[in-house]
Amino acid sequence: EAQVTQNPRYLITVTGKKLTVTCSQNMNHEYMSWYRQDPGLGLRQIYYSMNVEVTDKGDVPEGYKVSRKEKRNFPLILESPSPNQTSLYFCASSLRQATEAFFGQGTRLTVV
Amino acid sequence: AQKVTQAQTEISVVEKEDVTLDCVYETRDTTYYLFWYKQPPSGELVFLIRRNSFDEQNEISGRYSWNFQKSTSSFNFTITASQVVDSAVYFCALSEVYSSNTGKLIFGQGTTLQVKP
Repeated sequence: EAQVTQNPRYLITVTGKKLTVTCSQNMNHEYMSWYRQDPGLGLRQIYYSMNVEVTDKGDVPEGYKVSRKEKRNFPLILESPSPNQTSLYFCASSLRQATEAFFGQGTRLTVV
Repeated sequence: AQKVTQAQTEISVVEKEDVTLDCVYETRDTTYYLFWYKQPPSGELVFLIRRNSFDEQNEISGRYSWNFQKSTSSFNFTITASQVVDSAVYFCALSEVYSSNTGKLIFGQGTTLQVKP
């Protein structure tokens, strides 16, 4: 089954404690992105990747890092989480630019 | 600058009513794509439709229909004979082809639809 898998689904952590949210897709898609969803703001792109070893900042990259060492995986790293990073996070993949994006199930992160 | 506006924050209807969700977009690109996604209470994002800027034909899929009007930069979504299962947050999104090669979807703020029995 074609899918994007994110883990964990829910995470509560403390300020400053490094964490990683994993994302994996099995569709051999070139493009992968991370978005955060906040009330009244819709979804905003954090980082994206067009291929292996090619990543770049989206609209709200501060406080986040990513890597793309393999085509299928695109982890999101918060080196020192802060409360303003409390949000719902989605990983997405698409075959190429402007094609349908497939989303993971979402990760609800709370930073206290 | 590129932007998607969904002016209706929340809509509440009674089952079997028709409802239209509005979406207005801004872009300087001549080639772009528009999308609608549904986010049910369980939280996942479900793809509904993708439309390119050169195809202004309206589309119907069961109880769902989409009206794309380039002249008014709108891509509205109508649910006919709404059902309780249609209750969700609906997002309109834009993807530009020339201004951006990031694969980014520019989302509207979302419209929460509540369908009451």
